[in-house]
Amino acid sequence: GENVEQHPSTLSVQEGDSAVIKCTYSDSASNYFPWYKQELGKGPQLIIDIRSNVGEKKDQRIAVTLNKTAKHFSLHITETQPEDSAVYFCAAPLKAAGNKLTFGGGTRVLVKP
Amino acid sequence: GAGVSQSPRYKVTKRGQDVALRCDPISGHVSLYWYRQALGQGPEFLTYFNYEAQQDKSGLPNDRFSAERPEGSISTLTIQRTEQRDSAMYRCASSRRLEETQYFGPGTRLLVL
Repeated sequence: GENVEQHPSTLSVQEGDSAVIKCTYSDSASNYFPWYKQELGKGPQLIIDIRSNVGEKKDQRIAVTLNKTAKHFSLHITETQPEDSAVYFCAAPLKAAGNKLTFGGGTRVLVKP
Repeated sequence: GAGVSQSPRYKVTKRGQDVALRCDPISGHVSLYWYRQALGQGPEFLTYFNYEAQQDKSGLPNDRFSAERPEGSISTLTIQRTEQRDSAMYRCASSRRLEETQYFGPGTRLLVL
């Protein structure tokens, strides 16, 4: 069926190192790819998104890359800080499923000081 | 400005009771979405509205679940004859228009005893 797969499920990095989270999607018609950060007890907060007409987007320490041919997109966090510790979710609107936003399973990121 | 708000934040009910969960979207946002999020997983689509019209309800688990948005602003998700398996975090999101960024509320945690 139509889905979004996210890896890894957990990621532990040393403060200052980079973190990379990857997602694959199944619907080639998907055209919008947001990333959400969810801290304990809070709702998902959008941190960056990319549309299919660009291959990369950057916002300070956060960047997202998109490979439409391979149907995967990645979140890159550089110079990680303890406050980056959270669960991160990727998502894609699956056109074949009526344009519903489908989320990956999440990645729990722990930044060790 | 104010974000998406949901009430109540916590709801404990006995099996068989009906519950109504409220979502107040960001002012001016015409699209509103309901999700359910199990612990440790990403949000799962339930239904969405564009203005007052319910566009897609294919994610509602069964006919005990219903949603309405009569005036195109506040929405209510109703669960009739609640069952223990309905226990979850119910999240609402809104976007300025369809296919634009979705902003999530804090959620309502429902516990069915």
